[in-house]
Amino acid sequence: KQEVTQIPAALSVPEGENLVLNCSFTDSAIYNLQWFRQDPGKGLTSLLLIQSSQREQTSGRLNASLDKSSGRSTLYIAASQPGDSATYLCAVHTGTASKLTFGTGTRLQVTL
Amino acid sequence: KAGVTQTPRYLIKTRGQQVTLSCSPISGHRSVSWYQQTPGQGLQFLFEYFSETQRNKGNFPGRFSGRQFSNSRSEMNVSTLELGDSALYLCASSLAVMLGEQYFGPGTRLTVT
Repeated sequence: KQEVTQIPAALSVPEGENLVLNCSFTDSAIYNLQWFRQDPGKGLTSLLLIQSSQREQTSGRLNASLDKSSGRSTLYIAASQPGDSATYLCAVHTGTASKLTFGTGTRLQVTL
Repeated sequence: KAGVTQTPRYLIKTRGQQVTLSCSPISGHRSVSWYQQTPGQGLQFLFEYFSETQRNKGNFPGRFSGRQFSNSRSEMNVSTLELGDSALYLCASSLAVMLGEQYFGPGTRLTVT
């Protein structure tokens, strides 16, 4: 059974700092890994999708890496801004359907 | 292109009632998945539909059911509501079944009193 863990559970950083969020998963036989952000009471916004054959994906200030063999992914956020404050979730796609297994998330606060 | 839409956005029901939630996927997407999000359990997979067929189901009781129509719109139904069914119900759509990026709707907040 796939299990996804995210560390840390919460993080507070001053504006402008670079930061790294971590995601680990127990079953390395994944099809892809997706990073999302969720604002309080809202739905999920897709940030990056990494296919199992890829090592990283970049979008603007975001960079996600994937090391499938060790069961790890990181989300790097450069030059953080208060608008980045949200909960960040990673999810892995395992199996023959579109089921995603989610981590518990990292709640990020970027302070002025 | 319009995103995933879910209706209603908020719903209050009493124990024992039933409820139907609706999800319209992104145009052209044929896969629709449903998730339940609670503070205690996080995001949990309910079921997934592709071309009107349920392809996968999570570990939820039979009170939770769903269906998909020929236009890919999907509904989920919860019968005999319990207090523990209070949650944010999220719908996601994707173009492909296995490798597609999942796009989520804003969710339906269900409160059971």
